Amino acid sequence: QQQVKQSPQSLIVQKGGISIINCAYENTAFDYFPWYQQFPGKGPALLIAIRPDVSEKKEGRFTISFNKSAKQFSLHIMDSQPGDSATYFCAASKGAGTALIFGKGTTLSVSS
Amino acid sequence: DGGITQSPKYLFRKEGQNVTLSCEQNLNHDAMYWYRQDPGQGLRLIYYSQIVNDFQKGDIAEGYSVSREKKESFPLTVTSAQKNPTAFYLCASSSGRGGLGELFFGEGSRLTVL
Repeated sequence: QQQVKQSPQSLIVQKGGISIINCAYENTAFDYFPWYQQFPGKGPALLIAIRPDVSEKKEGRFTISFNKSAKQFSLHIMDSQPGDSATYFCAASKGAGTALIFGKGTTLSVSS
Repeated sequence: DGGITQSPKYLFRKEGQNVTLSCEQNLNHDAMYWYRQDPGQGLRLIYYSQIVNDFQKGDIAEGYSVSREKKESFPLTVTSAQKNPTAFYLCASSSGRGGLGELFFGEGSRLTVL
């Protein structure tokens, strides 16, 4: 049973375009929703995270949109750059200190 | 610099051999985790530990074992019982309960079983 479903599996966006990655979850006990970015051969690193008491969080070109009633959240990358080419994982957990449950990942390629 | 160190980065073993992957952190974090990454499968939780001398199974613990004798260290043993051990293994830590929940990852260990 996949607790966090991520789509699409891969995404190609032109430089300057908007990249959108979506995730859906089932467990209403989840209260922490981070996005991680991973470059080849490296470990993932936290990009941005949100808690369910807000519907949107923006950090630079990266925005998380959160829809609690639909149990969905998404990552928007504005003005996508070739350096954004990486694998992105959404995740969820039931609280600080508990293990994160990850989606299967989205490989983003930004063409120049 | 604070961080998580995984070793070795690459490891080759023959089928049927046990191997141990090292994970050390100097972030003074209480919680540590092991994830396995396979292409198209995301990160799947093997084991995690929220405090010294205590650990819990994750979703795919079969064929793996861990120990947490020191706060800084959380080694993972891939036993011969693991049917498909070839994978990229990631260790992570977090400040645990009361923290912000962010996981800090090491750079991974790639295990290939021949």
